[in-house]
Amino acid sequence: AQTVTQSQPEMSVQEAETVTLSCTYDTSESDYYLFWYKQPPSRQMILVIRQEAYKQQNATENRFSVNFQKAAKSFSLKISDSQLGDAAMYFCAYRMNSGYALNFGKGTSLLVTP
Amino acid sequence: DADVTQTPRNRITKTGKRIMLECSQTKGHDRMYWYRQDPGLGLRLIYYSFDVKDINKGEISDGYSVSRQAQAKFSLSLESAIPNQTALYFCATSDLDVGGLTQGQFFGPGTRLTVL
Repeated sequence: AQTVTQSQPEMSVQEAETVTLSCTYDTSESDYYLFWYKQPPSRQMILVIRQEAYKQQNATENRFSVNFQKAAKSFSLKISDSQLGDAAMYFCAYRMNSGYALNFGKGTSLLVTP
Repeated sequence: DADVTQTPRNRITKTGKRIMLECSQTKGHDRMYWYRQDPGLGLRLIYYSFDVKDINKGEISDGYSVSRQAQAKFSLSLESAIPNQTALYFCATSDLDVGGLTQGQFFGPGTRLTVL
């Protein structure tokens, strides 16, 4: 079974600064997908960014970007110009190419301070 | 209107009661999922369905059952609720991957269930 590890239970960043959330995963597959989801206090799960493993280029969505290191099985999320609205729980998730279910990490709680 | 809706949003019930959580979607996706979220554990898959006639158990299906009434509706039932089923429950949908690209899964707002 694939496992997803988020080693930082909590992180803190000042408004306008940059923060990086870590995620590592364990798999024997070569084709798969990786995701970052955001869960604000409203508890809604919001897809932030996704990465196909066959793509070498790191995905970017506005202020959010990833550093995908396939050999190291690492998938970190960088949030630039942090805003108060970025405060949330962030979950890293993995899905096999031929699979269906998302395997989630335990999450990182991000606090944004003024 | 939200693409994936769940009812109820919050529910408190007693041990031994039968509970049904409902999910509806307007995204037109064939694939639907039920996840459970416990504090500190992330989300875990309970059941999933690829179409009305295709329903499959996930990682933690014991104590739960599901019904796919239509493409747009997927219900989760707890036949006899117990306190350790107290959790946040999410419904999600997804489309087929196309050309190696995936859109990911889209989640409903969640149902907070408390079993006393």
